[in-house]
Amino acid sequence: AQTVTQSQPEMSVQEAETVTLSCTYDTSENNYYLFWYKQPPSRQMILVIRQEAYKQQNATENRFSVNFQKAAKSFSLKISDSQLGDTAMYFCAFMKRPGAGSYQLTFGKGTKLSVIP
Amino acid sequence: NAGVTQTPKFQVLKTGQSMTLQCAQDMNHNSMYWYRQDPGMGLRLIYYSASEGTTDKGEVPNGYNVSRLNKREFSLRLESAAPSQTSVYFCASSPGGEPRGYGYTFGSGTRLTVV
Repeated sequence: AQTVTQSQPEMSVQEAETVTLSCTYDTSENNYYLFWYKQPPSRQMILVIRQEAYKQQNATENRFSVNFQKAAKSFSLKISDSQLGDTAMYFCAFMKRPGAGSYQLTFGKGTKLSVIP
Repeated sequence: NAGVTQTPKFQVLKTGQSMTLQCAQDMNHNSMYWYRQDPGMGLRLIYYSASEGTTDKGEVPNGYNVSRLNKREFSLRLESAAPSQTSVYFCASSPGGEPRGYGYTFGSGTRLTVV
């Protein structure tokens, strides 16, 4: 079974600064997908960024980027130029790539990020 | 707007009562899921349906049943609610087949309180 660990239950960052959220995972799979989801106070789950394990290049989406270290099983999220709207819970998630059937997401416990004006 | 619709958004039940959470998606997705979210626990999979006509247990299935009514709808039933089932419930869907890394589309959640 896969496990996802987010070791920082809470973090804070000053507006316009950069913050990095940590995520490690444990799997015996070679092909898989990794995701970061954002959950603002509205409770909606929003996909922030995703990474395919077979791609060495780190994914980037505007101010969000990841540092994917496959050998270390590490998948950290960097938020640049933090904005007040980035205040949210952030969940790291793992999806293995089976031959057929459903694609289950395994989530970490989350990191609560507060952006301070 | 296309997406996943959950009803109700809020519900209070008494211990022992039953209820069904409804979920529908209009994206022609094959796979649907029910998760529960508890403080400090992240999201945990209750049941999933890989395709119409199939359902399987996830990590925390005890006390729940599901029905994949058709391709669009996937309901979650609590037969005899317990306080331990107080949680926020999320329904989600995904295309199935090759996910193309898009992950899921989530509903807006149901906050359930069992007293």
